[in-house]
Amino acid sequence: GNSVTQMEGPVTLSEEAFLTINCTYTATGYPSLFWYVQYPGEGLQLLLKATKADDKGSNKGFEATYRKETTSFHLEKGSVQVSDSAVYFCALSDRSGTDKLIFGTGTRLQVFP
Amino acid sequence: NAGVTQTPKFRILKIGQSMTLQCAQDMNHNYMYWYRQDPGMGLKLIYYSVGAGITDKGEVPNGYNVSRSTTEDFPLRLELAAPSQTSVYFCASTGTENTEAFFGQGTRLTVV
Repeated sequence: GNSVTQMEGPVTLSEEAFLTINCTYTATGYPSLFWYVQYPGEGLQLLLKATKADDKGSNKGFEATYRKETTSFHLEKGSVQVSDSAVYFCALSDRSGTDKLIFGTGTRLQVFP
Repeated sequence: NAGVTQTPKFRILKIGQSMTLQCAQDMNHNYMYWYRQDPGMGLKLIYYSVGAGITDKGEVPNGYNVSRSTTEDFPLRLELAAPSQTSVYFCASTGTENTEAFFGQGTRLTVV
């Protein structure tokens, strides 16, 4: 079945460091890919998305490129801030007809001043 | 613009009790989902619905039931609460599979 695999956390960085959170997926067909962010005590909110191969999603300095050849959608940010501390979820939307939204296990990011 | 509204925010149940978690959205979305999030873990899909009158099981449906009589509402029913159902429950909705999923604030459920 479809699945999403994320790197385990926590990821601990100093402010202004470079961030990469790896995400790979398994899916039939051509899913849409998403990154969601969850701040403490809140629900998830969309960070960025890509709907086809080679698309790059970007928002708030974060970027991710849909790589069909490596089935990956890694999240990157050039310079993290303390306010970026949160849990990040990679997700895919199954277009096979079932329309399920499948999430990875999440990666906790902790940024220290 | 309320988005996705979940009630209650917190609940403590005794083993064997039943309850319904309410979820409503006002965006006319066809797709709705229920997830559970265990401490330190990701989201697991319980049930989902692609439209009124249509529901299907997700990854962890045992011990739960849902109904979708209207586009707006997607309640989740726990019939015989068990400690293993202690979790945070999130409801979400999307317009189509390519669009943003909107999440409720979550319901923190403890079964003792």
